[in-house]
Amino acid sequence: GESVGLHLPTLSVQEGDNSIINCAYSNSASDYFIWYKQESGKGPQFIIDIRSNMDKRQGQRVTVLLNKTVKHLSLQIAATQPGDSAVYFCAENGAGGTSYGKLTFGQGTILTVHP
Amino acid sequence: EADIYQTPRYLVIGTGKKITLECSQTMGHDKMYWYQQDPGMELHLIHYSYGVNSTEKGDLSSESTVSRIRTEHFPLTLESARPSHTSQYLCASTWTGGRTEAFFGQGTRLTVV
Repeated sequence: GESVGLHLPTLSVQEGDNSIINCAYSNSASDYFIWYKQESGKGPQFIIDIRSNMDKRQGQRVTVLLNKTVKHLSLQIAATQPGDSAVYFCAENGAGGTSYGKLTFGQGTILTVHP
Repeated sequence: EADIYQTPRYLVIGTGKKITLECSQTMGHDKMYWYQQDPGMELHLIHYSYGVNSTEKGDLSSESTVSRIRTEHFPLTLESARPSHTSQYLCASTWTGGRTEAFFGQGTRLTVV
């Protein structure tokens, strides 16, 4: 079938390095943001989320940073492991108007971790 | 592990056939979504629902249709499948309030020959 959209950017890192994956979102009214990890042949899985009233949130080995001024989201993975190899997507949840209730995904990034 | 299920996992079907992709969740979530994803590509929202009897079209135009007669069930139908419909279809669900992370099914990989 026809491919829809863009091919994904890639990031290659060595095991043990820190990884930073970036995402630009489109709707300034979005109030909730999520990072997902998608392994081959599986549906996306939740990693970490952040609300628009925060600019940083930390989880286990992961940190999400939100810059509302430039509509930018980043995911930092500390001490990256081969098991972290996957496609990473950011998603935004529309807050109002025609965007209310819509969970829209940004362009993903393919992370490859070399042993 | 999320309680959201999609069937079938894989489907190969001839052009012109009518197909329905099933999606069910047992979490009582009111919002449900369908996404289309080609290999190595982005996820595109094609349909979503706020609750029973509510359906909306997503950002990507799709010839498929959906229905939401029961909270737990959100099937997607293609009346006449074409090779251009070949893709992976992912279903997801969320709560309305509070933490609204979406839980995804494993997807249905559809091939139309």
